[in-house]
Amino acid sequence: IAGITQAPTSQILAAGRRMTLRCTQDMRHNAMYWYRQDLGLGLRLIHYSNTAGTTGKGEVPDGYSVSRANTDDFPLTLASAVPSQTSVYFCASRGTGSDTQYFGPGTRLTVL
Amino acid sequence: GENVEQHPSTLSVQEGDSAVIKCTYSDSASNYFPWYKQELGKRPQLIIDIRSNVGEKKDQRIAVTLNKTAKHFSLHITETQPEDSAVYFCAASPGSARQLTFGSGTQLTVLP
Repeated sequence: IAGITQAPTSQILAAGRRMTLRCTQDMRHNAMYWYRQDLGLGLRLIHYSNTAGTTGKGEVPDGYSVSRANTDDFPLTLASAVPSQTSVYFCASRGTGSDTQYFGPGTRLTVL
Repeated sequence: GENVEQHPSTLSVQEGDSAVIKCTYSDSASNYFPWYKQELGKRPQLIIDIRSNVGEKKDQRIAVTLNKTAKHFSLHITETQPEDSAVYFCAASPGSARQLTFGSGTQLTVLP
């Protein structure tokens, strides 16, 4: 059982390029989340999905989009990357009836 | 929306001493308060959580207390060990939405 996986592990990206961060979970969790982590700011919610086919905006959604075509996958897309999107990105999931969120290993993204 | 403040941002203790990290929250509807531990380069992992119908919860050397009237909750680690060195995050969730708002983190260093 892999739990939650994220890809890539790290990426250096030129400003203006499009990038998709992948997140897959095999726990059949309905809810999934994307956070960014910046030093001194903790984890901030970008987008979330309470179930397949639905998504919602978090605290810092600008410049990011998500889709949830099925239960297992929740990709995060940066349409045109900017240096301020340099961060560590964590995906998380939560099972129905539970409050506990489980985190993936993270993707370190650098936008130059 | 919810706002979570966490103090201190850094904390150094001698091995064997106790450590206390405090968080305050703003949304009186919040009813779930988890604590996550994040080691360097790793994902956040849940170490303990508490719900609003409980005032205190213990798990071995770790305890969390909640004061709903004052809207603050605290993490207590007793008999600290070097492996307790990490960044600790508190979070709050306002009920049915089950989205977490995180504090900015506390870097705990346990000195041998």
